Amino acid sequence: DGGITQSPKYLFRKEGQNVTLSCEQNLNHDAMYWYRQDPGQGLRLIYYSQIVNDFQKGDIAEGYSVSREKKESFPLTVTSAQKNPTAFYLCASSRASGGADTQYFGPGTRLTVL
Amino acid sequence: RKEVEQDPGPFNVPEGATVAFNCTYSNSASQSFFWYRQDCRKEPKLLMSVYSSGNEDGRFTAQLNRASQYISLLIRDSKLSDSATYLCVVKGSDGNKLVFGAGTILRVKS
Repeated sequence: DGGITQSPKYLFRKEGQNVTLSCEQNLNHDAMYWYRQDPGQGLRLIYYSQIVNDFQKGDIAEGYSVSREKKESFPLTVTSAQKNPTAFYLCASSRASGGADTQYFGPGTRLTVL
Repeated sequence: RKEVEQDPGPFNVPEGATVAFNCTYSNSASQSFFWYRQDCRKEPKLLMSVYSSGNEDGRFTAQLNRASQYISLLIRDSKLSDSATYLCVVKGSDGNKLVFGAGTILRVKS
């Protein structure tokens, strides 16, 4: 049963704490992406990775970090430097980053900073 | 100006109605276009790609107008289950990133 999983579904964090959001895919996709979604706004790209051990900043990378040590995993760390981290975080993957390959999304993680 | 703009709606329509959404994009070099559907508090899912000649998938028809830089989605015979937010998505000029519109809310009522 192929797909993308994200955990946890809901996450609560105190101000000043770092948290790591998990994203795993078994689709054998090369490219993976992290987006955040805020109410009334489109998805905004945080980071993306086209291949293992390589990743690039998206449009709103400040306060976030990622790693891509394995093809199937692309965890996102929300650091205390992120000023407004409460949002819906979505991970996606695609066969390749170029061309018109479809991006498939995981179910998302809702992060709330208390 | 936003790179991808959509009317946020909501569009409130009765079952069986035909409804159309438009989306405009600012980057004339964009090559790939999509419509995604997002249900409340769920992840976006691909509804259909948009091809230059226009394409149809059942009750859904997508059109692309490169000269005017807009994309449209037409839904015929609306169902209650069509209620969702429809996201217009454009592949950016660098070829790697997708740019998402904020979405158009559709509510189909019985």
